[in-house]
Amino acid sequence: DQQVKQNSPSLSVQEGRISILNCDYTNSMFDYFLWYKKYPAEGPTFLISISSIKDKNEDGRFTVFLNKSAKHLSLHIVPSQPGDSAVYFCAASTGDGNKLVFGAGTILRVKS
Amino acid sequence: DGGITQSPKYLFRKEGQNVTLSCEQNLNHDAMYWYRQDPGQGLRLIYYSQIVNDFQKGDIAEGYSVSREKKESFPLTVTSAQKNPTAFYLCASSISATGNYGYTFGSGTRLTVV
Repeated sequence: DQQVKQNSPSLSVQEGRISILNCDYTNSMFDYFLWYKKYPAEGPTFLISISSIKDKNEDGRFTVFLNKSAKHLSLHIVPSQPGDSAVYFCAASTGDGNKLVFGAGTILRVKS
Repeated sequence: DGGITQSPKYLFRKEGQNVTLSCEQNLNHDAMYWYRQDPGQGLRLIYYSQIVNDFQKGDIAEGYSVSREKKESFPLTVTSAQKNPTAFYLCASSISATGNYGYTFGSGTRLTVV
């Protein structure tokens, strides 16, 4: 049973446009959400996070939106750059042992 | 520079052999984790440790073993009991196992059974 789902395996976007990556979750006990970025043959790196007490968190070109009633979060990248091309993982935690549950990832390709 | 070091980067194992993956961190983090990545399945938790000399099974612990004798080190042994060990293995650490903290990941070890 996948508690964190990223239903789009891949996304292709033109440079300069907005990239929107989506994530759905089923466990209502999740209270902390994170996005990680991963290049091939490397470990994921932390991108941005959001607590369940907020509905938006912004850091430069990256904004995460949380809709608790829909159990949905999204990552917006504006403007998209070719260096943003990577796999993006959504992750969630209940704070119990700080164990993150990851989605399957979405491959983002930004075309120049 | 603080970080997590995983070694080796690539590892080949014959069927029936045990193999140990190394994970060392100098971040002074209390908690450490092992995840496995398979295509289309995201990262799945194998084992985690909240403190030295203590560790717990994750979602897919069968066929794996770990130890946490030092704060800095959390080696993972893939035993012959693991039926499908070919995967990309990621080690991570976090400041604490209580509360919500992000992880710092190592660069991974790709294990291939030949």
